[in-house]
Amino acid sequence: DTEVTQTPKHLVMGMTNKKSLKCEQHMGHRAMYWYKQKAKKPPELMFVYSYEKLSINESVPSRFSPECPNSSLLNLHLHALQPEDSALYLCASSQAPSVQGDEQFFGPGTRLTVL
Amino acid sequence: GESVGLHLPTLSVQEGDNSIINCAYSNSASDYFIWYKQESGKGPQFIIDIRSNMDKRQGQRVTVLLNKTVKHLSLQIAATQPGDSAVYFCAENLLDGQNFVFGPGTRLSVLP
Repeated sequence: DTEVTQTPKHLVMGMTNKKSLKCEQHMGHRAMYWYKQKAKKPPELMFVYSYEKLSINESVPSRFSPECPNSSLLNLHLHALQPEDSALYLCASSQAPSVQGDEQFFGPGTRLTVL
Repeated sequence: GESVGLHLPTLSVQEGDNSIINCAYSNSASDYFIWYKQESGKGPQFIIDIRSNMDKRQGQRVTVLLNKTVKHLSLQIAATQPGDSAVYFCAENLLDGQNFVFGPGTRLSVLP
């Protein structure tokens, strides 16, 4: 299985809602990532988990809360979002955190709309 | 030809021609680079990578060239096909293996 899966594919939520995005991989990868991608823009790194521990937080607002329950799963909990948070949220994984860097496998993304 | 403006830079090529997509990266100390292809409605897909101790790497129909002197990366696609139409991003690794910064992207449009 060389896939990263993400659910849901689409999500519409109000500014007072609480929702979660889910990401799963069964490649044995020990590094997992959340990216945010606005239309016609490149992906921007939000969080990195290495061996289930948060290793990078790119100054993301606290209304985004990541969680890594185990080595295969990565969640992004959303609360009190703003309309400008509407974007494609991409999850990725790579074999192991290493200084040399490694190929990242991306999921198809969750298209989030905040009303 | 290539156009740059308020939208994504776009490169239009005839089917069967070779394509060259360019990328300027920001950090002279970056040591690992990846080219990704992103089709509409999908996540980025790995194409080819290169480390800073190399200046050229070849894959199937693709070649990446790295010029560290001018901090420039290029992706060459041979015999471009309609299925190559997508947005192409370069990504540089900022020394720690995990923090990748993506370039602005180029849309490749293959004309019949």
